[in-house]
Amino acid sequence: EAGVAQSPRYKIIEKRQSVAFWCNPISGHATLYWYQQILGQGPKLLIQFQNNGVVDDSQLPKDRFSAERLKGVDSTLKIQPAKLEDSAVYLCASSLGLGLKSTDTQYFGPGTRLTVL
Amino acid sequence: LAKTTQPISMDSYEGQEVNITCSHNNIATNDYITWYQQFPSQGPRFIIQGYKTKVTNEVASLFIPADRKSSTLSLPRVSLSDTAVYYCLVGLRLNRDDKIIFGKGTRLHILP
Repeated sequence: EAGVAQSPRYKIIEKRQSVAFWCNPISGHATLYWYQQILGQGPKLLIQFQNNGVVDDSQLPKDRFSAERLKGVDSTLKIQPAKLEDSAVYLCASSLGLGLKSTDTQYFGPGTRLTVL
Repeated sequence: LAKTTQPISMDSYEGQEVNITCSHNNIATNDYITWYQQFPSQGPRFIIQGYKTKVTNEVASLFIPADRKSSTLSLPRVSLSDTAVYYCLVGLRLNRDDKIIFGKGTRLHILP
C-alpha cells in the first residue's frame, strides 16, 4: 500500500515570496491533516479536512496560509507571503476514519522542509 | 484532548529495555492512548495503541494501569535505530474545541 506522498521535499524561498506544498493521502482515507513542525517541537495541527470539508482550521494563520482539498483527495497548502518564522517542516497526514475518534491512526508523509531567508 | 506529560529526553544503551511513561490525569472514559515514533527527517509513525491493561505488538508493549492516568511504552532490547522522538497522544475529539496535540515528545537517545 502506497503511503502519504508529499512534494517538494525541500524548499528555500525568501521572505515575502509565496510557496505551495502538495499532498496525496493514502487511497480511501477520508481525513487529511496538515501540520507545522518547528525544529525541536511536536507537530502542530494547522488544518484538518474531512473529505473536502474543513473540520478544524483554528490554528491556521489565515492572513497568509490557505489550504484546499479538491474532490476530497489531494490537497495543497499555500503560504503567501512567507515570513521568517514560517521556516519549519510541513507534514501531511491522513486517516481512514473521520478523525474524531482517538482510535483513528494517522499516517504521515515525509514532510516538506521549508526554509525562509 | 487530555493533556499529556512525558519526560523531555532519555538515554539508554543498546540491548536494554526502555520504558517511557506518559501521564494523562484527565483521561476520559472513551479515550484511547496512542504512541507515535518520529525519526529525524521523517513524519511520525504509529507504534501502538491501547485502552487498558497491556497491548503488545512486534515493535513495543504498552502498559496501562487500572486507573488509566498514565501509560508506559516499553521497547525491548533497544538498538541504535530506536533513537527517535516518541509522542504520547490521548483523546477523543468530540468537537472543534478539542485539539490534536502532540506535545514535545520524549527524545530517546540510544548509546552503543
